[in-house]
Amino acid sequence: NAGVTQTPKFRVLKTGQSMTLLCAQDMNHEYMYWYRQDPGMGLRLIHYSVGEGTTAKGEVPDGYNVSRLKKQNFLLGLESAAPSQTSVYFCASSFVLQETQYFGPGTRLLVL
Amino acid sequence: AQTVTQSQPEMSVQEAETVTLSCTYDTSESDYYLFWYKQPPSRQMILVIRQEAYKQQNATENRFSVNFQKAAKSFSLKISDSQLGDAAMYFCAYRSLMYSGGGADGLTFGKGTHLIIQP
Repeated sequence: NAGVTQTPKFRVLKTGQSMTLLCAQDMNHEYMYWYRQDPGMGLRLIHYSVGEGTTAKGEVPDGYNVSRLKKQNFLLGLESAAPSQTSVYFCASSFVLQETQYFGPGTRLLVL
Repeated sequence: AQTVTQSQPEMSVQEAETVTLSCTYDTSESDYYLFWYKQPPSRQMILVIRQEAYKQQNATENRFSVNFQKAAKSFSLKISDSQLGDAAMYFCAYRSLMYSGGGADGLTFGKGTHLIIQP
């Protein structure tokens, strides 16, 4: 039982490049979330999903897209990376919306 | 929108002593959950403790306990018998029980308190 895993752990991008971050969970959770963490800040919600095939915008969705084609996977895409997207990205999942969220180990992204 | 405030950017405590981390929040809702998460240098977010607002009894988990004051909108974390492994960033977080279809459907975090354990 791996819990929540994220791929990759670290990535360097040039401005304008695209990439996809993968989140996988093996706890059969319905809800999945993507957050970003910037220095001196708590985590902020980017997008989330309340079930397979559904997505919704969070607090800071601009510049990101997401997809939830399978219940266990939640993908975060950057179509044209910008230096402002340099951050640590966390995926989380929960069984129901109100319950405890379990986090992945994070992906550190550096956009030059 | 809900806000969470952690007024102590950094705290230091001697090993084996007790430390209290402060958290206040602002909400107009009556039902919600509150959390403390620990983030060690590995960056992994680890749940420390959870409190349901409808419960009057303060949550405890071994050496960790909370002082939940609903009327004052205060949710402090007490760590007893501090250990070197407790050194980390600690984040207070709020979770509404209402589905809003937007940014409030995730956790709302404070900016964190960096806890240093002095040996």
